Amino acid sequence: SQQGEEDPQALSIQEGENATMNCSYKTSINNLQWYRQNSGRGLVHLILIRSNEREKHSGRLRVTLDTSKKSSSLLITASRAADTASYFCATVLQTGANNLFFGTGTRLTVIP
Amino acid sequence: GAGVSQSPSNKVTEKGKDVELRCDPISGHTALYWYRQSLGQGLEFLIYFQGNSAPDKSGLPSDRFSAERTGGSVSTLTIQRTQQEDSAVYLCASTIMGGSGKTQYFGPGTRLLVL
Repeated sequence: SQQGEEDPQALSIQEGENATMNCSYKTSINNLQWYRQNSGRGLVHLILIRSNEREKHSGRLRVTLDTSKKSSSLLITASRAADTASYFCATVLQTGANNLFFGTGTRLTVIP
Repeated sequence: GAGVSQSPSNKVTEKGKDVELRCDPISGHTALYWYRQSLGQGLEFLIYFQGNSAPDKSGLPSDRFSAERTGGSVSTLTIQRTQQEDSAVYLCASTIMGGSGKTQYFGPGTRLLVL
């Protein structure tokens, strides 16, 4: 299976702290994307990092990619209660198709 | 503008019945994807439509699953003779065109429960 794995499965932090989630995958990728899913809602795209990039920032989000280790991390700085959600990494393979292979997700709870 | 919409939002059916799930992609988006999210699992790719090209059906779990995309817009996912293991949230996503590196915009999903 090409599905990735997120680590940890669940994370609980205090508001204002940083949250780090990790993702590992198995095959060579074209890009890796992070999505957020609020309970009962669809997924929202957060950030995309290409295989030739190592780090990317978007607001309070920082994503790193290490293709040699086939891993990525998502850092949310200065977390807020509204950041409470499930976070998924998804990979797009090098083959050219754009279907996403998702990990199992990290459930983040930010305690006010 | 309107995002991706899906209907119904919830569907409860009896084992053995057929169900149809509908997806309305964002207007102008040529690529459409179906995914399945089982409880406690990651999302699973099912099928991909791009323009008039033959769909990529490589993710469909069995021949009970099929999908159509009429007129390059609305798509329906049909599950025949439903089984309890088909219970999941079915998500549809669209992008402005196919190929890698394009952001997929997801609908809210249809929650299917097979009794």
